Amino acid sequence: EAQVTQNPRYLITVTGKKLTVTCSQNMNHEYMSWYRQDPGLGLRQIYYSMNVEVTDKGDVPEGYKVSRKEKRNFPLILESPSPNQTSLYFCASRYNTGELFFGEGSRLTVL
Amino acid sequence: GESVGLHLPTLSVQEGDNSIINCAYSNSASDYFIWYKQESGKGPQFIIDIRSNMDKRQGQRVTVLLNKTVKHLSLQIAATQPGDSAVYFCAENDSSYKLIFGSGTRLLVRP
Repeated sequence: EAQVTQNPRYLITVTGKKLTVTCSQNMNHEYMSWYRQDPGLGLRQIYYSMNVEVTDKGDVPEGYKVSRKEKRNFPLILESPSPNQTSLYFCASRYNTGELFFGEGSRLTVL
Repeated sequence: GESVGLHLPTLSVQEGDNSIINCAYSNSASDYFIWYKQESGKGPQFIIDIRSNMDKRQGQRVTVLLNKTVKHLSLQIAATQPGDSAVYFCAENDSSYKLIFGSGTRLLVRP
């Protein structure tokens, strides 16, 4: 089944404790992206990747890092999480054009 | 900056009626548009798309209309069912790889 898988789905952590949210897709998509979704603000892009070893900032990259060492994986790294990073995070992928396929979301709470 | 917006944050319809969800976009260079459905606790799911060389596209119970003159996009759902209750997002894409999302409209279906 074609899908985007992200883990963990739910996480509660404390300020400053590094965490990684993994994302994997099995559709051989070149393009992958991370979004955060907050009430009233919709989906905002954090980082995206056009292909392996190619990443770029989205609209709200501050406080986040990504890597794209393999085509299927695109982890989101929070080196020192802060409470304003409490949000619902979505990973998505697609071929270089066309519809985006989304994961089921990762709800992160930073205390 | 360029943005995608929605006229109605919440739409309530009677089961069996038709629903129309509207979206205004501001980037005249956008050439590809998508509608997504997001159910509670899930990631956005692709519903239907349309390219700028078309003004109408039909799917199963859904129709997307594009009016480039006034930069307006609409999603029509025929015979709305309880399972259609969700938040609906429009998104636009110009010649870059960035997809810009609207803030969403919540559709409530009354039994």
